[in-house]
Amino acid sequence: AQTVTQSQPEMSVQEAETVTLSCTYDTSESDYYLFWYKQPPSRQMILVIRQEAYKQQNATENRFSVNFQKAAKSFSLKISDSQLGDAAMYFCAYRSGYTGTASKLTFGTGTRLQVTL
Amino acid sequence: GAGVSQSPSNKVTEKGKDVELRCDPISGHTALYWYRQSLGQGLEFLIYFQGNSAPDKSGLPSDRFSAERTGGSVSTLTIQRTQQEDSAVYLCASGRDFDTGELFFGEGSRLTVL
Repeated sequence: AQTVTQSQPEMSVQEAETVTLSCTYDTSESDYYLFWYKQPPSRQMILVIRQEAYKQQNATENRFSVNFQKAAKSFSLKISDSQLGDAAMYFCAYRSGYTGTASKLTFGTGTRLQVTL
Repeated sequence: GAGVSQSPSNKVTEKGKDVELRCDPISGHTALYWYRQSLGQGLEFLIYFQGNSAPDKSGLPSDRFSAERTGGSVSTLTIQRTQQEDSAVYLCASGRDFDTGELFFGEGSRLTVL
């Protein structure tokens, strides 16, 4: 079974600074997808960014970018120019490239990000 | 609807009672998940429905928990003989395409067992 590990329970960053959240995963598959989800205090989860394993180029969405190291099975999230609204729980997630219920999404334990003035 | 809808948003019940939590996924979404989240904690997978495939029930913590999805749309999570440790937020999520893999989450149902 695939596992996703987030080793940083909490992180803190000053407004306008850059922070990197770590995520590693374990899989024997070659075709898969990786995600970062954000859960603000209002609790509704939203997708931040997505990476397809077959793509070598790192995904970028505005201030959010990833460092995808397939051989190392590492998928970190970089938040640039941090804003107060970035304060939330961030979850890393893995999904197999298989179809049916084998494609279940597996989440890490989350990293709580605090943004300070 | 515009998003994933869950009801009730809050439920307080007495120990030993049965509860039903409802999830209305986004229309056309074939994938539907239930997760449980205790206060400030991560997501605990409960069950996963995908199209016509047999659901993945591997996350259900005990036989007091069950879920069904009728007509490939609405899902109900039932907890029988509730215990205090069942207190948590129950999150439902649905997904459209296999390729994108993006999940859309509801706001959750907060269950408190007294």
